[in-house]
Amino acid sequence: GAVVSQHPSWVICKSGTSVKIECRSLDFQATTMFWYRQFPKQSLMLMATSNEGSKATYEQGVEKDKFLINHASLTLSTLTVTSAHPEDSSFYICSASQVTEAFFGQGTRLTVV
Amino acid sequence: DAKTTQPPSMDCAEGRAANLPCNHSTISGNEYVYWYRQIHSQGPQYIIHGLKNNETNEMASLIITEDRKSSTLILPHATLRDTAVYYCIAVTAEKTSYDKVIFGPGTSLSVIP
Repeated sequence: GAVVSQHPSWVICKSGTSVKIECRSLDFQATTMFWYRQFPKQSLMLMATSNEGSKATYEQGVEKDKFLINHASLTLSTLTVTSAHPEDSSFYICSASQVTEAFFGQGTRLTVV
Repeated sequence: DAKTTQPPSMDCAEGRAANLPCNHSTISGNEYVYWYRQIHSQGPQYIIHGLKNNETNEMASLIITEDRKSSTLILPHATLRDTAVYYCIAVTAEKTSYDKVIFGPGTSLSVIP
């Protein structure tokens, strides 16, 4: 099946710094990718829809200036957590769709200290 | 997308069939039923999907009632590796695009030795 790869798998950063997470579709082109956040013992929460060549669509309550999304090519979307704070520590997951199926990355564990 | 309802948790003995129910009473005609699972600290994994006919693949079987208001995911011979959170989702899947996937709380399946 299709593969979606995220990088890095885990990252620790200092409070106030920015962190970039990459999501790549390895063997197919994805005009749309999705970014999720998951806190411990909770379900995945959709943050935004990333559209190739255009602005991302953010879900209600998600700060677009804090979570910058760039989808510059058909195989790469990036999520940048700006001025990270400890409450941004979470598991971030991306997905890309191909026809009638969504494929998910392995996730990125962000810890802000 | 239609809301789905699943039991929060289930146990299953290793080697036995695991039957995971899902209610989607407001599902519309163009919404598919998708099942994903998430093993701890990993991205969700696609299992199976269907519209109105029963489906089977190497991982599982999906039984959809005739009125499409509920479905059951069957893992025929559960193993310890099947311990995960299982998500049932109703989503519109058009020919060339894929609607955003909104996750509910899912069912936490524990396979017991």
